[in-house]
Amino acid sequence: GAVVSQHPSRVICKSGTSVKIECRSLDFQATTMFWYRQFPKQSLMLMATSNEGSKATYEQGVEKDKFLINHASLTLSTLTVTSAHPEDSSFYICSARDMSGGDTQYFGPGTRLTVL
Amino acid sequence: GEDVEQSLFLSVREGDSSVINCTYTDSSSTYLYWYKQEPGAGLQLLTYIFSNMDMKQDQRLTVLLNKKDKHLSLRIADTQTGDSAIYFCAESFGGGGNKLTFGTGTQLKVEL
Repeated sequence: GAVVSQHPSRVICKSGTSVKIECRSLDFQATTMFWYRQFPKQSLMLMATSNEGSKATYEQGVEKDKFLINHASLTLSTLTVTSAHPEDSSFYICSARDMSGGDTQYFGPGTRLTVL
Repeated sequence: GEDVEQSLFLSVREGDSSVINCTYTDSSSTYLYWYKQEPGAGLQLLTYIFSNMDMKQDQRLTVLLNKKDKHLSLRIADTQTGDSAIYFCAESFGGGGNKLTFGTGTQLKVEL
């Protein structure tokens, strides 16, 4: 199957700093990528849909100025958590939509963010 | 609104069958999925079923769909310790690349 990578896999930062997480589709082009957030022992909640070359679509309750999404190429989307606070600590997972030979969504391995 | 529910925990003995259940509320869902998540990892798509199907079998996995009751189940035959993980059902309208709504997740523990 297709491969989606995330970088970094784990990050610890101080409160008030900004953190950028990258999501890459390694062997296919993805015009659409999704960003999810998962709290411990909970389900995945969709934060936003990232569209190549246009603005991201945010889910209700997700602050777009807090979670900046950039999808500048067909293989890369970035999520920047701005002015991070301890409550932003979570597991962030991206997925990329592969429309070649079908329509399938492949998930990255996730990024564990801890804000001190 | 969309709401997908699962039981939180299931414990089985190695070699037994596991049945993980899921109920959903969005009758317009066209695809239903089962994903597996191991600790600290992303999601692995196990199988999916189109909403006009009742059953799908793929090796040790059997998916049953009762569209009338909006009930989905995943049966794992001959459960192994490597099957221990969290299992999520998910629904979407349209193809697999569309927005997914995930269930609450079921932690499967396989004991020797």
